[in-house]
Amino acid sequence: QKEVEQDPGPLSVPEGAIVSLNCTYSNSAFQYFMWYRQYSRKGPELLMYTYSSGNKEDGRFTAQVDKSSKYISLFIRDSQPSDSATYLCAMSASSGGYQKVTFGTGTKLQVIP
Amino acid sequence: DAGVTQSPTHLIKTRGQQVTLRCSPKSGHDTVSWYQQALGQGPQFIFQYYEEEERQRGNFPDRFSGHQFPNYSSELNVNALLLGDSALYLCASSLLESKNIQYFGAGTRLSVL
Repeated sequence: QKEVEQDPGPLSVPEGAIVSLNCTYSNSAFQYFMWYRQYSRKGPELLMYTYSSGNKEDGRFTAQVDKSSKYISLFIRDSQPSDSATYLCAMSASSGGYQKVTFGTGTKLQVIP
Repeated sequence: DAGVTQSPTHLIKTRGQQVTLRCSPKSGHDTVSWYQQALGQGPQFIFQYYEEEERQRGNFPDRFSGHQFPNYSSELNVNALLLGDSALYLCASSLLESKNIQYFGAGTRLSVL
């Protein structure tokens, strides 16, 4: 079983839709939770970063963490064609003062105009 | 302010050869991590360098080695290349005290024939 599970999609939605992306994890030691966006042939770009359970909002993006269920989500409101990309969840645990980051496989999102 | 830069952008090698990839971190960053991203997969953590020493290592064989220089730049070396080493190799930099906020380069695409 992988430490982080993410539905690879692809997910196709019309412009303006609300998008929900999700990951589950099995390692209780994960403390930090991130969402990255990766455009084709580019490096990942950090979108959201959270530490505790609850919600964090940044513009059209909301990150949600439920540590009790080992489940994280990213919501995108009013989706735009420019949001078409692969979205990667990532989580990290501390080891000797250093963090090791584990990524999901990524969900490919297409927003259709 | 230059972000994370990686060189070369593309590389073609044959089985058994050795390769060196290079990374310059974002200005002011002191920690460099390397990841391997196979097609359709999330990045897999290879190792992390801080103060010129390997601090964390993922599940990669000893054929994968690295180095960090006094100016914080880093190299990834892979010996005895296998076909399965074909992937996008990503470098990420961060500050140790902001250890989970990583900035990625665009990557080096390695093809092993």
